[in-house]
Amino acid sequence: DIVMTQTPLSLSVTPGQPASISCKSSQSLLQTDGKTYLYWYLQKPGQSPHLLMYEVSSRFSGVPDRFSGSGSGTDFTLKISRVEAEDVGIYYCMQGIHPRLTFGGGTKVEIK
Amino acid sequence: QVQLQESGPGLVKPSQTLSLTCTVSGGSINSSGYYWSWIRQHPGKGLEWIGYIYYSGSSYSSPSLRSRVSITLDTSKNQFSLNLSFVTAADTAVYYCARRAVVGGKGPFDYWGQGTLVTVSS
Repeated sequence: DIVMTQTPLSLSVTPGQPASISCKSSQSLLQTDGKTYLYWYLQKPGQSPHLLMYEVSSRFSGVPDRFSGSGSGTDFTLKISRVEAEDVGIYYCMQGIHPRLTFGGGTKVEIK
Repeated sequence: QVQLQESGPGLVKPSQTLSLTCTVSGGSINSSGYYWSWIRQHPGKGLEWIGYIYYSGSSYSSPSLRSRVSITLDTSKNQFSLNLSFVTAADTAVYYCARRAVVGGKGPFDYWGQGTLVTVSS
């Protein structure tokens, strides 16, 4: 299976400040079709996860533009340009290149 | 707007079969382009993909669960179901159903159910 490793485990951020989460995969997520199958999800407290980003850097419908994704191959980053109170929760990356889908362990974002 | 809703017993005895159903509204499960999926989350832990079923009836599940997992479709009710046999306490988790929008067999989970907690205990 492809192992997804996220860092840090947790992050405490002052509102209005930026935040960055790293996700590394044990194998390249670049497919021969030129697409990279890396997704980001946010699970807010008491809720189910919801999709933020697909194919590394494309925002899903309704996702604010303060969220951005970058990276290639095996190294990826989710950035929040200015954290807001509603951004608290656990962020997960997920690989979709291999049929056996795997998630990162999660990064908990809290507000200072 | 597509909505998914899990239903089923919240308590299952060890060695019995866990059975959950996901009812889909706002879209048909009898259409190409989507894998209808199950994912679980152990208490306080991360996400574990269980498996999916396609509208054709073909399914695929995690090798670690494959011998115990069955995923089926009921297109007449716009539902899909998960059966997990011979459960133990290690199967206690919140179970989510989700839609995976795929092109060429790949894509994200774009819609999720709210999740249902299943506890395995005698």
